[in-house]
Amino acid sequence: DVKVTQSSRYLVKRTGEKVFLECVQDMDHENMFWYRQDPGLGLRLIYFSYDVKMKEKGDIPEGYSVSREKKERFSLILESASTNQTSMYLCASSLAVHRGRNQPQHFGDGTRLSIL
Amino acid sequence: AQSVAQPEDQVNVAEGNPLTVKCTYSVSGNPYLFWYVQYPNRGLQFLLKYITGDNLVKGSYGFEAEFNKSQTSFHLKKPSALVSDSALYFCAVRDEVAGGFKTIFGAGTRLFVKA
Repeated sequence: DVKVTQSSRYLVKRTGEKVFLECVQDMDHENMFWYRQDPGLGLRLIYFSYDVKMKEKGDIPEGYSVSREKKERFSLILESASTNQTSMYLCASSLAVHRGRNQPQHFGDGTRLSIL
Repeated sequence: AQSVAQPEDQVNVAEGNPLTVKCTYSVSGNPYLFWYVQYPNRGLQFLLKYITGDNLVKGSYGFEAEFNKSQTSFHLKKPSALVSDSALYFCAVRDEVAGGFKTIFGAGTRLFVKA
C-alpha cells in the first residue's frame, strides 16, 4: 500500500515565521503535489513536481516555495507566514504519466496549519 | 482546459436507499476521470477511475460510477447507502500540462446518510 506521510497533523506558527511542511512517500512515485483545502474553495494546487529538483507552479503559488532534493520527499515552505495561509495542507503523490495515464493520486492525512 | 463540476453541495439520503453524487466534466481529448472520498480530518482516498470503454466502473466500498459520454457526466452511485458513507466526495479530471499533468478537483459534495 502506498503511504504518504506528512510530518505534522497540527501546527501553530506566528505571523512572519518561516514554516516548513514535509511530505514523504514510500512508493517511488515520480510526481508529488501540494494542495491547500479551504471550506467552499475545494482543493487548490500550490506547487507540483514531476522529478527530483523539478518544480512547477500550480494555481496559487504566491507566498510559497517548494524543495525536492530527493525523490521521496517534497517540502512546502511558507517564506513569511501570514494569517491568510491558515489552512489544511495536503500532500499527494502519483506515478508518472508514462507509467499509465490514469494513475490516481495518493494523499497524506494533511497538516492543519494555524498562523496566529 | 479541462474542468469538472459538482452541482450539489450536499446530498442527503436514508440508509439503505440508493445514492447518486453528480459530476459533469469538460475535456479535450480522452477523459481521465476519478472519484475520491475524504473522511473528517483525513486526506483524500481514491475510490475509482474511468476506464476507457466501460460505461459502469466499479470501485472501493461498493461504489460505482456511470460514465455517459453524450451527457459528459461521471456520476457516483451506490445501490444501498450506509451511515459510514457519510463523507466529502470529490470528482476529478486529469489535465495534461507541459512536462507532466495536474489533477483538477471539483468543489466537493458532502454526503449525509441518515440512519
